[in-house]
Amino acid sequence: DAGITQSPRHKVTETGTPVTLRCHQTENHRYMYWYRQDPGHGLRLIHYSYGVKDTDKGEVSDGYSVSRSKTEDFLLTLESATSSQTSVYFCAIRGTSGGSSSYNEQFFGPGTRLTVL
Amino acid sequence: EDQVTQSPEALRLQEGESSSLNCSYTVSGLRGLFWYRQDPGKGPEFLFTLYSAGEEKEKERLKATLTKKESFLHITAPKPEDSATYLCAVQAGGSGNTGKLIFGQGTTLQVKP
Repeated sequence: DAGITQSPRHKVTETGTPVTLRCHQTENHRYMYWYRQDPGHGLRLIHYSYGVKDTDKGEVSDGYSVSRSKTEDFLLTLESATSSQTSVYFCAIRGTSGGSSSYNEQFFGPGTRLTVL
Repeated sequence: EDQVTQSPEALRLQEGESSSLNCSYTVSGLRGLFWYRQDPGKGPEFLFTLYSAGEEKEKERLKATLTKKESFLHITAPKPEDSATYLCAVQAGGSGNTGKLIFGQGTTLQVKP
């Protein structure tokens, strides 16, 4: 158990409304990631963070923003939700395996299922 | 372009019938290859990390191997509880120390009793 929680676990919203998803970790990990998972596309990286207030874009960042004001919380915001953002969103942290820090595994939260009508 | 392809997309086995899942990759320098298991409605669960060609790792009925172009996840005498989607991911050399992963689309395994 990597101590990762996501909230909410399920959300239904309407097109054009803002939505914020929260990822919370309890083990003080530096790196955190947001992915979306869609049929036929697998998991795709949206944004990631390498420390408080340090974030960068991933593969599919358009329409999304992130913030990290505390080590334990990484927020994903959809400024104006669209139907194409209906997906399952996963947060992950980068743990340590005891080996080189370049090769650390990622551990995932339980996911948030978002439906945009 | 860095890419990961998994095959087959779906696999049905009888209990006890051994088989292999394939993960082919093209990346600019491999920093690590990762296998995950995902059950319906849950997040991916980490299984293995492989770093270099020739490396092998085992866990219960699962064995992961790595060559310079692909990885195999061998499942020996599977049981119904091994039914899940298996995901492969790579960390490319061009990603620096960001830890960014590129995932394949997964193989959905169903093991029938």
